[in-house]
Amino acid sequence: TQLLEQSPQFLSIQEGENLTVYCNSSSVFSSLQWYRQEPGEGPVLLVTVVTGGEVKKLKRLTFQFGDARKDSSLHITAAQPGDTGLYLCAGETNFGNEKLTFGTGTRLTIIP
Amino acid sequence: DTGVSQDPRHKITKRGQNVTFRCDPISEHNRLYWYRQTLGQGPEFLTYFQNEAQLEKSRLLSDRFSAERPKGSFSTLEIQRTEQGDSAMYLCASSLGSGSGQGNEQYFGPGTRLTVT
Repeated sequence: TQLLEQSPQFLSIQEGENLTVYCNSSSVFSSLQWYRQEPGEGPVLLVTVVTGGEVKKLKRLTFQFGDARKDSSLHITAAQPGDTGLYLCAGETNFGNEKLTFGTGTRLTIIP
Repeated sequence: DTGVSQDPRHKITKRGQNVTFRCDPISEHNRLYWYRQTLGQGPEFLTYFQNEAQLEKSRLLSDRFSAERPKGSFSTLEIQRTEQGDSAMYLCASSLGSGSGQGNEQYFGPGTRLTVT
């Protein structure tokens, strides 16, 4: 059973546009990570959010953890072709003790 | 500083053969995880180790799969009598697993792509 639902599954936008990707669950997570994965490579960690309502920024990327720690969003401002990739959210149910449960991913394509 | 490494990067094998993959984690990380990823899906947890102890195994890990981490450093994942359904990307990750409240940040290797013909 996939506990984390990501939307949209696919997103193709023009360079310079803004976008938001969502990660939703009915379960509460103690932490949530966002990863980006290139074809044929392993996921690369972008950010970890821990506190409900937390907002973290990484250059043009803004990550938010929902107040109830059941959902998260990733907002990209002024998307660039280098942002193209598969974005995965992954939740942890107990601090430092368990595996990550991954969402199905959002495949993002930025058109130059 | 080296990240997580995996070997081989690609493996093509015939159905029924045995294969073994190796993962070298980040040196100070005591936790090591194996995941499997099929096309169009996110990674799915298989098993994890804290030092040399295997603490959890997914129901995805059938009897044909075995993982070891004999000295608490590198790990191997062996698949016996491979089936076509085993074709996937096998990912290894490691973490400090401190439980400090900062989240279990896992760092992934590049993966081993297995194709069973």
